[in-house]
Amino acid sequence: NAGVTQTPKFQVLKTGQSMTLQCAQDMNHEYMSWYRQDPGMGLRLIHYSVGAGITDQGEVPNGYNVSRSTTEDFPLRLLSAAPSQTSVYFCASNVRGTSPLHFGNGTRLTVT
Amino acid sequence: GDSVTQMEGPVTLSEEACLTINCTYTATGYPSLFWYVQYPGEGLQLLLKATKADDKGSNKGFEATYRKETTSFHLEKGSVQVSDSAVYFCALSRNSGNTPLVFGKGTRLSVIA
Repeated sequence: NAGVTQTPKFQVLKTGQSMTLQCAQDMNHEYMSWYRQDPGMGLRLIHYSVGAGITDQGEVPNGYNVSRSTTEDFPLRLLSAAPSQTSVYFCASNVRGTSPLHFGNGTRLTVT
Repeated sequence: GDSVTQMEGPVTLSEEACLTINCTYTATGYPSLFWYVQYPGEGLQLLLKATKADDKGSNKGFEATYRKETTSFHLEKGSVQVSDSAVYFCALSRNSGNTPLVFGKGTRLSVIA
């Protein structure tokens, strides 16, 4: 049972660089979401998707793009990295919006 | 909008002490309530949940009761162990629509032997 798989686990970027954080789930969940975790701030929702082809913004969407071309994958793109995006990023999925979330193990991103 | 407020940590307890982590919520309607736990270096995992008023969720010796009259969902354990050291998050979801979960800021618990 792979569950939710995130890659990479660690990444260091320079300001202005772009990258994609990958997220894949093998549970056939319709709902997927991206959170960032910062000290003292808890988890904040970046973007979410209620199904293939459908995405919506969360609490802190600026600087991030997402797309959902398949049920399994939900990549998060940073177009021009900024130091304020230094954080731990978690991808999660669930059967529907009200059901418990399954989380990946996170990607620790540092932007210098 | 919907929100969750939980007690700030860190909380440090000796092994076998009693634990209470307070959580209160603001929401329209009748949300479902959750406690998630995050062990060091890992993602969050569901600890317990309750879907309606007066429900009690329980798992691994932890309990929480959905109190609609006080809009609370406090996490309790009678005797903590070193292995319970983690960050605990309270969360809610609406029981209708597609709105994702709303999380509290987390409470770090350290249990010392």
